[in-house]
Amino acid sequence: AQRVTQPEKLLSVFKGAPVELKCNYSYSGSPELFWYVQYSRQRLQLLLRHISRESIKGFTADLNKGETSFHLKKPFAQEEDSAMYYCALSRETSGSRLTFGEGTQLTVNP
Amino acid sequence: NAGVMQNPRHLVRRRGQEARLRCSPMKGHSHVYWYRQLPEEGLKFMVYLQKENIIDESGMPKERFSAEFPKEGPSILRIQQVVRGDSAAYFCASSVGTARNIQYFGAGTRLSVL
Repeated sequence: AQRVTQPEKLLSVFKGAPVELKCNYSYSGSPELFWYVQYSRQRLQLLLRHISRESIKGFTADLNKGETSFHLKKPFAQEEDSAMYYCALSRETSGSRLTFGEGTQLTVNP
Repeated sequence: NAGVMQNPRHLVRRRGQEARLRCSPMKGHSHVYWYRQLPEEGLKFMVYLQKENIIDESGMPKERFSAEFPKEGPSILRIQQVVRGDSAAYFCASSVGTARNIQYFGAGTRLSVL
């Protein structure tokens, strides 16, 4: 069975500091990994997915199959990045349920 | 495009009553997923439906819970004889058939059981 672990429930950084939100997964096949973000009073929205290999709002994430990780990084955090971040895994690329981590609440202080 | 619409946003029920949660997917989306988020926990998959078909219900509790996605109208998640442990946020997501792994989420329904 697949599992997603986000070891930090809370993460607090200062504006302009680098930020890394950790995500580890366990799955024996070829997963598809995602980061979703939920800003205050807004719905959950897709931030990025590993197959796109793009940077969104300055965030990047690289799939490391050796370490089974998909950490989310941003070199210079902004106050508007404060939100709840969820890492999620899908078992296959042809359509499947998402398995979510428990989320990390990021707070960027001024 | 209005996005995934869920209603009601908040639902209060007494123990033993029935709860009906509705989800209208984004226009053009034919795949619907339901997730549940208990307090202090992440989202947990419940069921995956296409029009008139349940594709994967492995996350649904065996009793009292059911889901449908009729040919016309919204998807419905139905909880019979609610108990306090059913209190949670229920999220619906939808996706397009050709890119099914991009799921777009609704704002959720927060169910409170008194």
